[in-house]
Amino acid sequence: AQSVTQLGSHVSVSEGALVLLRCNYSSSVPPYLFWYVQYPNQGLQLLLKYTSAATLVKGINGFEAEFKKSETSFHLTKPSAHMSDAAEYFCASESNFGNEKLTFGTGTRLTIIP
Amino acid sequence: KAGVTQTPRYLIKTRGQQVTLSCSPISGHRSVSWYQQTPGQGLQFLFEYFSETQRNKGNFPGRFSGRQFSNSRSEMNVSTLELGDSALYLCASSLGDSLTEAFFGQGTRLTVV
Repeated sequence: AQSVTQLGSHVSVSEGALVLLRCNYSSSVPPYLFWYVQYPNQGLQLLLKYTSAATLVKGINGFEAEFKKSETSFHLTKPSAHMSDAAEYFCASESNFGNEKLTFGTGTRLTIIP
Repeated sequence: KAGVTQTPRYLIKTRGQQVTLSCSPISGHRSVSWYQQTPGQGLQFLFEYFSETQRNKGNFPGRFSGRQFSNSRSEMNVSTLELGDSALYLCASSLGDSLTEAFFGQGTRLTVV
């Protein structure tokens, strides 16, 4: 069974600093991978997705993620944090058989320090 | 275009009661998935409906059920509510083809007392 692991349930960075949120996947076959963001009392919004077309994926709000098969990782980065980035971030995977079931990591709460 | 609409946004129920939550997907989307989000268990997949048929199911007891109507609107029902059913229930809609983006609603916050 596939799964995703997010390292660090809480991450704090200063405004303007690099954001790095870690995600590792566990699957015998590289799955499709996603990053979602959730603001308080809101649903999930897709930031970006990896579908095997390109290993470096650019998303919305300046975020990007790089798929590294050798490290089974899909870490999310943003060069310069903004106060509005404070939210919870979820890494998710979907089997590449397209069964429409997303498996989520446990989430990382990002705090931005002014 | 309108997003995914979940109603109601908030709900308080008593143990033993049953509850029905509603999800209206984006127009043209045929797949609706339901997820339960709790602080302890995180986001867990409940089930997915596509063209009125349950296509996928998570590991939840039979008290959790759902259905989808011909207009793709979906309902999920929880019977004999338990305190542990308190959660944010999220609905996601998509076209239903392989790897199409899932759009989430704002969720229904269910509190069981």
